[in-house]
Amino acid sequence: KAGVTQTPRYLIKTRGQQVTLSCSPISGHRSVSWYQQTPGQGLQFLFEYFSETQRNKGNFPGRFSGRQFSNSRSEMNVSTLELGDSALYLCASTMRQPVGETQYFGPGTRLLVL
Amino acid sequence: EDKVVQSPLSLVVHEGDTVTLNCSYEVTNFRSLLWYKQEKKAPTFLFMLTSSGIEKKSGRLSSILDKKELFSILNITATQTGDSAVYLCAVNWGAQKLVFGQGTRLTINP
Repeated sequence: KAGVTQTPRYLIKTRGQQVTLSCSPISGHRSVSWYQQTPGQGLQFLFEYFSETQRNKGNFPGRFSGRQFSNSRSEMNVSTLELGDSALYLCASTMRQPVGETQYFGPGTRLLVL
Repeated sequence: EDKVVQSPLSLVVHEGDTVTLNCSYEVTNFRSLLWYKQEKKAPTFLFMLTSSGIEKKSGRLSSILDKKELFSILNITATQTGDSAVYLCAVNWGAQKLVFGQGTRLTINP
């Protein structure tokens, strides 16, 4: 079974631009979560999608948005980029088990904002 | 506020040593606790713990959860240089959302 894939792997943007990141979950997984990882803040939850609906949202400004398609692929968009948005953005595909959920991470997209 | 605290933040040991990493949490509606290993890339899944007192084991790694005292430990015996990584603890509180600790950076010197 193929793992979680994310594209692009690396991205350089300038302040004020917008960016769209893509994530394809493991086949059969319907839930996709997005995280931002920075050296200072660690891993922080952005939002989670299930069956094309946003189910949960973290404490990020409205510049961060996402969506999920009928094939479970998800995209994340950041508008009006700021220097502080430079981070590793991770997508996780969730496998539901009787006693909880396990998340499997993609390789991440490293975004640098100049 | 839900939070997960890991200790120590950094640990340096010699190859062959045994290490114990700690994770404590304050989370409402706890469902499970997960351990991940992160090297240069994305985190890779190690264990998921849901019940107190039941040890999960995979090779030289093992982990156990104490739901009464709200903590978990990750043990690594006979450490190898390939064990060098950041170990992340995360708690799932039932909303498809993981709250992560800061991580423990483990360095194994030959």
